Amino acid sequence: DAGVTQSPTHLIKTRGQQVTLRCSPKSGHDTVSWYQQALGQGPQFIFQYYEEEERQRGNFPDRFSGHQFPNYSSELNVNALLLGDSALYLCASSLDTEAFFGQGTRLTVV
Amino acid sequence: GNSVTQMEGPVTLSEEAFLTINCTYTATGYPSLFWYVQYPGEGLQLLLKATKADDKGSNKGFEATYRKETTSFHLEKGSVQVSDSAVYFCALRKNRDDKIIFGKGTRLHILP
Repeated sequence: DAGVTQSPTHLIKTRGQQVTLRCSPKSGHDTVSWYQQALGQGPQFIFQYYEEEERQRGNFPDRFSGHQFPNYSSELNVNALLLGDSALYLCASSLDTEAFFGQGTRLTVV
Repeated sequence: GNSVTQMEGPVTLSEEAFLTINCTYTATGYPSLFWYVQYPGEGLQLLLKATKADDKGSNKGFEATYRKETTSFHLEKGSVQVSDSAVYFCALRKNRDDKIIFGKGTRLHILP
């Protein structure tokens, strides 16, 4: 079992650009959540997808959007990037209360 | 709202010392409680969990007991190793459909 895989591992973007991050959940997991972890902070919930629909959303602007595909994989899109969007983006998949996290994508906005 | 508060770091200990990292939570009902560990440059790994009051989660020598009366879930280890150096996050989740709420993390340094 490959666990939760995220791509790319690192990314550098310029302010104003758009970015897409990808996540493949652990085998059999149908729920995918995305978190943003700023440097020195705990992860903050962005949103959760289940059955290809956004089920919950945290306190993030509409610039942050996502998608879940029929195979449960997911994408996180961020438009009009700001310097403050620089962070580690974590994807988590779950089947019950236990969530498994990927290694994350380190996004740097310059 | 629901929240998690954990002791601020960094915490620096010598190898073989006893470790306690305090964690308290605020939540309605009976959330599941977790400790996650993050090694440098990596994502989060689940260290241990407890799903109901008085449950004790344990893994790799670490333990934490779900205390409903004190709303606490303190992490302990009897003898730490250099390899335990990492950031530790206390977290809660109300149910499988809910988000995970994390504390700010506690950085642990173990000196040889």
